[in-house]
Order: sequence, then structure tokens, then C-alpha cells
Amino acid sequence: DIQMTQSPSFVSASVGDRVSITCRASQDIRFWLAWYQQKPGKAPKLLIYGASNLQSGVPSRFSASGSGTDFTLSISSLQPEDFATYFCQQSNSFPLTFGGGTKVEI
Amino acid sequence: EVHLEESGGGLVQPGGSLRLSCAASGFTFSNYWMHWVRQVPGKGLLWVSRIKTDGTGTSYADSVKGRFTVSRDNAKNMLFLQMNSLRAEDTAVYYCTRDSGLGLDYWGLGNMVTVSS
Repeated sequence: DIQMTQSPSFVSASVGDRVSITCRASQDIRFWLAWYQQKPGKAPKLLIYGASNLQSGVPSRFSASGSGTDFTLSISSLQPEDFATYFCQQSNSFPLTFGGGTKVEI
Repeated sequence: EVHLEESGGGLVQPGGSLRLSCAASGFTFSNYWMHWVRQVPGKGLLWVSRIKTDGTGTSYADSVKGRFTVSRDNAKNMLFLQMNSLRAEDTAVYYCTRDSGLGLDYWGLGNMVTVSS
């Protein structure tokens, strides 16, 4: 199975800050990476697909990059509604696997 | 508008069975692979199962293989997860989710399954 390692596990930030989260795959997954946002009690929401493509309706302050084994999700100017947990997920091979999550806290 | 709604969860004793259902609407259900993903409250996400468009191709996480069976009824826009020989470690919120081909783009609200005596 492909292991997905996210860092950091927690980020303490303020409104307006730039935040970056990294995700490392245990083997080459090319560009088969997605990022999700999850708020408490809610289902995950797809933010990024194909490593760097913004899902429709997602604000442009979200961006992502990477390929192969190393990926990054960035939020350029943190807004109050961005405080949530973020997960990466690979779809290069089954089983699909998720990173452990990064909680972005105030 | 795409909508997925799970049902069928609840409290079951270890060794028991449950059948989760997911009603899909707002899109051509038969055109999409579908998945089940679960999450222990407060913890991470774990992929459980996938089913291809016509139902002939299925995959499972090792932790549920041989105990869970995914199926679909394209005529009724329904996805199912038959869960047998349930264990305490299967306790989680179960989500059905649509596969866009590049990501899991729509998710249901989730349905809680609790395995406890």
C-alpha cells in the first residue's frame, strides 16, 4: 500500500496568514493526488484534483503543486472559514490512501 | 444538484450484520465509479471499497475483505454496502462518495455504524 505522510499535523495561524501543508507519498504517484477540506461534523470537500487543479467553486487563495512523491497545498491568505482539517489522498493505485490530516487552528 | 444520502447505520453487536444504502440523485449514477470511505470520529479517513460503473469490478480494503460486499442498482440509483461479521474496529461514520476520475468530488453526509455489545 502507498503510505501518505502529511506535515505538520497541526498549524496554528491567524487570519491573513499564508499556510502551507505538505504531503509525501511512499512511492511515485505521478499527479494522482487530491486535497480535501473537512470541517467538524461535515463530510470532506474536494479542493484540488490532479495535484494542482482547483475544483470548481473553490476560492483561488487555495493552490497546490507537486508531482511524484512530494506535494504541497497552500492557502495564500487564511480566511475564518478556512479553519478546518485538510487531507491528501492518492488515487494512483488501490487501496486508495489518505494522509493523516492537518488541522489548521486559530 | 448532486446529492448522496446514506442510510441503514446504527448499533449492532459484534459478529452482526448491517446493510448501508446510499441514494444518489442529480447526476447519471450509472456513469460513475462509487466508493465507501469511513472515519472514526475525530480520526482520519479510511477507504473501504470501490465499485465500477456496471458493478462488475469491486475492490476492498484488506481490513474488510471477505466481510463486506459493495453493490449497486443503477436502475434505482442506489449504492449498497453489506457488512457482515462486524467488529468493534468497524465502528465509524461511513460515507458514500462519487469518483470523478480525478478525485472524490461529492460525498454524502455520512452514516454512523456502532459495533458494541
